[in-house]
Amino acid sequence: NIVMTQSPKSMSISVGDRVTMNCKASQNVYNNIAWYQQKPGQSPKLLIYYASNRYNGVPDRFTGSGYGTDFTLTINSVQAEDAAFYYCQRIYNSPFTFGSGTKLEIK
Amino acid sequence: EVQLVESGGGLVQPGRSLKLSCAASGFTFSNYYMAWVRQAPKKGLEWVATISTSGSRTYYPDSVKGRFTISRDNAKSSLYLQMNSLKSEDTATYYCARHGSTLRPGYFDYWGQGVMVTVSS
Repeated sequence: NIVMTQSPKSMSISVGDRVTMNCKASQNVYNNIAWYQQKPGQSPKLLIYYASNRYNGVPDRFTGSGYGTDFTLTINSVQAEDAAFYYCQRIYNSPFTFGSGTKLEIK
Repeated sequence: EVQLVESGGGLVQPGRSLKLSCAASGFTFSNYYMAWVRQAPKKGLEWVATISTSGSRTYYPDSVKGRFTISRDNAKSSLYLQMNSLKSEDTATYYCARHGSTLRPGYFDYWGQGVMVTVSS
């Protein structure tokens, strides 16, 4: 079964900084990746689909990239409200496996 | 406005069964693949089940295959998850989610607020 490995597990960033988090698939998933943001006590929210497509209403400081096995979510000029967990997920083919998440803290 | 509202959670003993429901509104339910995703306390997200638009195709991870059954009633715009032989490790918040594609199970574009299931004696 496919494994999605996210790194780092956590990071602490200052407002205005640029942050990059990674997601590595154990096999080729082409561009079939989504990214979600989950804040404490809330349901996850879709940010990026098919690796690089920003979902409706998502600020353009969020950018997804990658293809095959290596993917990246970049947040330019991080804001305080970006503090959350971020998950990648393999989509389009079962199993729809999630990564273990990256926790983003704001200093 | 798309809404997904889960119900049916609660405390259940190990080995027993529980059925979750999800009432959908604000979109043509029969046009979308639907899914259940769970999250154990302080843990990450785990996909649990997916069902095709007609209900003819279902998908499960190995962790629940043979114990959980996803189903739908398109006339009632409702999604269900029958959970049998429950284990303590099934304790989690269960989310109903819509696959954001009418043709294939893609990303999850809408999520419910979640319902808690606790498996304990």
